[in-house]
Amino acid sequence: GAVVSQHPSRVICKSGTSVKIECRSLDFQATTMFWYRQFPKKSLMLMATSNEGSKATYEQGVEKDKFLINHASLTLSTLTVTSAHPEDSSFYICSARARWAGPYNEQFFGPGTRLTVL
Amino acid sequence: GQQVMQIPQYQHVQEGEDFTTYCNSSTTLSNIQWYKQRPGGHPVFLIQLVKSGEVKKQKRLTFQFGEAKKNSSLHITATQTTDVGTYFCAGLAGTASKLTFGTGTRLQVTL
Repeated sequence: GAVVSQHPSRVICKSGTSVKIECRSLDFQATTMFWYRQFPKKSLMLMATSNEGSKATYEQGVEKDKFLINHASLTLSTLTVTSAHPEDSSFYICSARARWAGPYNEQFFGPGTRLTVL
Repeated sequence: GQQVMQIPQYQHVQEGEDFTTYCNSSTTLSNIQWYKQRPGGHPVFLIQLVKSGEVKKQKRLTFQFGEAKKNSSLHITATQTTDVGTYFCAGLAGTASKLTFGTGTRLQVTL
């Protein structure tokens, strides 16, 4: 149980295009999903917290117009990188906290999406 | 803002040797979690510590939470090649529900 999927796993796009990444909780309902960014050999940096049916809360320094987050249902959150540039190339990972879990419980991570912007 | 540092950044051991990574937070934590990320993979939850001074064991892994709830450690006894990966601590502060990940310790184990 507690499986989180991400799609696509890899994407290569041209500079200026937009890319949508999907994060799904497959066998549980997730009231909260988190989006992280990870550079090679670096730690995970939280970008935003997404609650179902409400606007995402962005971390300081993360442009909300650049990284659009939608949490339309209890099993799906999407991250859209708008007008992508080479500096947006990174590993994007989502995680989900189960509806049955308390606020201090573990997060279940998706397999990540590697974005390369040419 | 809250910062969570880990040392060492990288450690290379021979199989059978012990390994320890230390995690230090700039603020008091309500709990701390540990994750393992294999090369090319995603973080996988290992354990959660909540109480001051708590010690938990999982087979060859021993986790400790400091008395002041600002530091933690992960000790692996007799490492195996399957232990290779990056170990992250991640802390929750106060009533916040978002994790702050540590800088990570990359472990390499060779025969």
